[in-house]
Amino acid sequence: EAGVAQSPRYKIIEKRQSVAFWCNPISGHATLYWYQQILGQGPKLLIQFQNNGVVDDSQLPKDRFSAERLKGVDSTLKIQPAKLEDSAVYLCASSSGRLEQFFGPGTRLTVL
Amino acid sequence: GENVEQHPSTLSVQEGDSAVIKCTYSDSASNYFPWYKQELGKGPQLIIDIRSNVGEKKDQRIAVTLNKTAKHFSLHITETQPEDSAVYFCAPSMDSSYKLIFGSGTRLLVRP
Repeated sequence: EAGVAQSPRYKIIEKRQSVAFWCNPISGHATLYWYQQILGQGPKLLIQFQNNGVVDDSQLPKDRFSAERLKGVDSTLKIQPAKLEDSAVYLCASSSGRLEQFFGPGTRLTVL
Repeated sequence: GENVEQHPSTLSVQEGDSAVIKCTYSDSASNYFPWYKQELGKGPQLIIDIRSNVGEKKDQRIAVTLNKTAKHFSLHITETQPEDSAVYFCAPSMDSSYKLIFGSGTRLLVRP
């Protein structure tokens, strides 16, 4: 069974630029999560989708972050414009309605 | 909201020794208690979990114990091996929300 795929793996941008991350969950997983993991900290949930609907986006900085999950499969997370404090690893995870979440390898973002 | 603390933040043990990591949480409504392992450059992976109606669960060399009255649960690793070196996160939650609140992590180093 293929795992959660994310791209790109690394991205370096300058502040005020835009960036987008892509996630392809495990086939058949209805729930998809985006997390932000700052160096030395645990992952923090940004947004949770159930199929193509948003379940929880209370921690998403909506003035600069947006996410969508078209057709209930792939998802993209966008930051526009980026700030220095957005430097982090962005993790995507999926689950099948059970409690275990399966994580992708993450995208490491560096904002200069 | 849930406040999660892990101790210690770093732990160094000799190969073959045991390691114990403790997680304290604040929300008495939490009823699902997982531990995730994160290796360098990878996303977290579930290694063991327990529900609030169980006090202890074992899976080969790893075990989780729960004290719901005191609101803490612990990860126990026996006969540690170099491949156990990683960062470990607790993530207590309510099974109805499927939302994990991660601790700040414990970096375990197993010295050969």
